[in-house]
Amino acid sequence: NAGVTQTPKFQVLKTGQSMTLQCAQDMNHNSMYWYRQDPGMGLRLIYYSASEGTTDKGEVPNGYNVSRLNKREFSLRLESAAPSQTSVYFCASSEQQYSTDTQYFGPGTRLTVL
Amino acid sequence: KNQVEQSPQSLIILEGKNCTLQCNYTVSPFSNLRWYKQDTGRGPVSLTIMTFSENTKSNGRYTATLDADTKQSSLHITASQLSDSASYICVVSPFGGYQKVTFGTGTKLQVIP
Repeated sequence: NAGVTQTPKFQVLKTGQSMTLQCAQDMNHNSMYWYRQDPGMGLRLIYYSASEGTTDKGEVPNGYNVSRLNKREFSLRLESAAPSQTSVYFCASSEQQYSTDTQYFGPGTRLTVL
Repeated sequence: KNQVEQSPQSLIILEGKNCTLQCNYTVSPFSNLRWYKQDTGRGPVSLTIMTFSENTKSNGRYTATLDADTKQSSLHITASQLSDSASYICVVSPFGGYQKVTFGTGTKLQVIP
């Protein structure tokens, strides 16, 4: 099992460019999440998907869109990148969105917007 | 605004020693409190998950405690190893929806030989 995989690992964009961050899990989990991590700040939830076919906003959804393509895949799209979106992005998954379910994180995508 | 404060910000200990990391939160009522370990350049890894009704949870050399009255949690690491060098993150989820989850900024632990 690969667990949670993310592509790409690194990306540099110019302001205004668009891109999609890909995330896939092979654990048959129902719930998936996107976070961003900035220096000196805790991880912040961007969007999450409690189950296939549903998505909900987190704390910082502005400037992002998501697609739960199927049970395995959850993508994050930046339509018009801004320097404020320079960050490390983590995808995670859990069996259900229950309080005691363990979340498994991917290795992260390091994004720089110039 | 819900807050999660962790202390100390950083800590250096000798291999084999014990240490305790602190987490104070204002989230109330809360559903669960989690501790994660994050190695440099990697994603977080779950250590413990406690619901509001639990007082303690262990995972090998890691023991988390929770005092819901004082809104404090601690993570105790016993007989530290070099591989324990990492950031440790406290996370609190309130009732009523995961969108309000709050992560602490973490404690950076360095274990030296």
